[in-house]
Amino acid sequence: GAGVSQSPSNKVTEKGKDVELRCDPISGHTALYWYRQRLGQGLEFLIYFQGNSAPDKSGLPSDRFSAERTGESVSTLTIQRTQQEDSAVYLCASSLYRVSSYNSPLHFGNGTRLTVT
Amino acid sequence: AQSVTQLDSQVPVFEEAPVELRCNYSSSVSVYLFWYVQYPNQGLQLLLKYLSGSTLVESINGFEAEFNKSQTSFHLRKPSVHISDTAEYFCAVSEGSEGRRALTFGSGTRLQVQP
Repeated sequence: GAGVSQSPSNKVTEKGKDVELRCDPISGHTALYWYRQRLGQGLEFLIYFQGNSAPDKSGLPSDRFSAERTGESVSTLTIQRTQQEDSAVYLCASSLYRVSSYNSPLHFGNGTRLTVT
Repeated sequence: AQSVTQLDSQVPVFEEAPVELRCNYSSSVSVYLFWYVQYPNQGLQLLLKYLSGSTLVESINGFEAEFNKSQTSFHLRKPSVHISDTAEYFCAVSEGSEGRRALTFGSGTRLQVQP
């Protein structure tokens, strides 16, 4: 079946421009996560949506970053006034329920590689 | 706050040798622990997890991990590795009631299996 889909797969933008990254989770998955992976580093948590609960935004690095999710479907991550340090692979993941559920692993998309020049 | 430390960024090992990838976590409450694997040119996928019950958990491809609460560790082991195990391995933790917190990942350990 269809997995988590992210678009675009690659994005090159100039410093100072705004970018919008899209994530289509697996249908029916209530939880959606955004992570960032800089070159040679681990995954950095950005934001977590769980059903109708208020999102956990504790990982967003600055107010230039924001994310929205419409119901239990598509999510967009927006980076305003991009900086070179924003260059990274942005990963989206979804899961059926909370991670504490036995049948609820995270399913990751292939990521969007963002390069800020 | 929850955090994860993977001390080894790279682990080279010969085929059929045993391997241990170390993971230590920091949390003040109950935790759920995971290992994810990223094979070359593929996305992250779940390898195994500890939610409750037996502290030793196993994957279908021969890996196992043991939750050690006193040492706050969740090391990943395999008695005999194969070339196909070459990948990056990420330890992750989620804490609190019903795992309400999103997963926090470690920085990853690159396992390089040599013939």
